Amino acid sequence: QKEVEQDPGPLSVPEGAIVSLNCTYSNSAFQYFMWYRQYSRKGPELLMYTYSSGNKEDGRFTAQVDKSSKYISLFIRDSQPSDSATYLCAMRTNAGKSTFGDGTTLTVKP
Amino acid sequence: GAGVSQSPSNKVTEKGKDVELRCDPISGHTALYWYRQSLGQGLEFLIYFQGNSAPDKSGLPSDRFSAERTGGSVSTLTIQRTQQEDSAVYLCASSLGGGKETQYFGPGTRLLVL
Repeated sequence: QKEVEQDPGPLSVPEGAIVSLNCTYSNSAFQYFMWYRQYSRKGPELLMYTYSSGNKEDGRFTAQVDKSSKYISLFIRDSQPSDSATYLCAMRTNAGKSTFGDGTTLTVKP
Repeated sequence: GAGVSQSPSNKVTEKGKDVELRCDPISGHTALYWYRQSLGQGLEFLIYFQGNSAPDKSGLPSDRFSAERTGGSVSTLTIQRTQQEDSAVYLCASSLGGGKETQYFGPGTRLLVL
C-alpha cells in the first residue's frame, strides 16, 4: 500500500464549479502538507503549504488538513479554465523527503 | 530571481547510450532533489542532496543511475546504458534546506530512449 493515496480522477467540471481534490495517507509522522499544480509539459509549482490541522485559504483555494483522519483536501471555488492542470498532493515528516500522490488531472470547461 | 533550470529540455537517445542531465538550483538553496515522472504517474523520488553530500540515495532504481553535486550548486544526473524503461520526465527541485523544505521545481528534462 502506498503511503499517499490520491483520488485518481480525471475530473471534468464546468466553469464556476467548486472542485474538491483529496488525498489520504498512512504515515502519522507526516507533519507538512503541500499541494502542487502542474501544467502540461511544465514542472510542478507550489500552490498551498500547511502545517497544522484545519483550513488555510488563499484566494479561490482552500487547503484542509484532518490529521486525525489522515485526510487532506484542496478546494477550488469558482473554477476557471486556467485551473485545468494536474494537482499533486505532497507531504513530509520533520526530517524526511516529500512523498507525492500520483496526481489528479482537472479539466474546467468554459 | 531565476528559478530552477534544467538542461537539456528534451533528449532522445538510443538504447545503451549514456546520458547526462543537468540541474541549476535557485541560488542559495542548499537542498536539491531529483525525481522521475513517467507518463500519467506521480513523482518518483530518486535522490536528495544537502550541500554536496547525498544523505538519501534510496530512490535510485539501479546502479546505472548516479548523481553528483559540486560546489553546493549544479547537479548532474547520469544514466548509463540507457534502457527504454528509463524514458520519462526527470524533474529537479531545490529548497532552502535546514528544515525549510518547500520545493521549487524546474521544467524537467524529457528523456526518450529508442
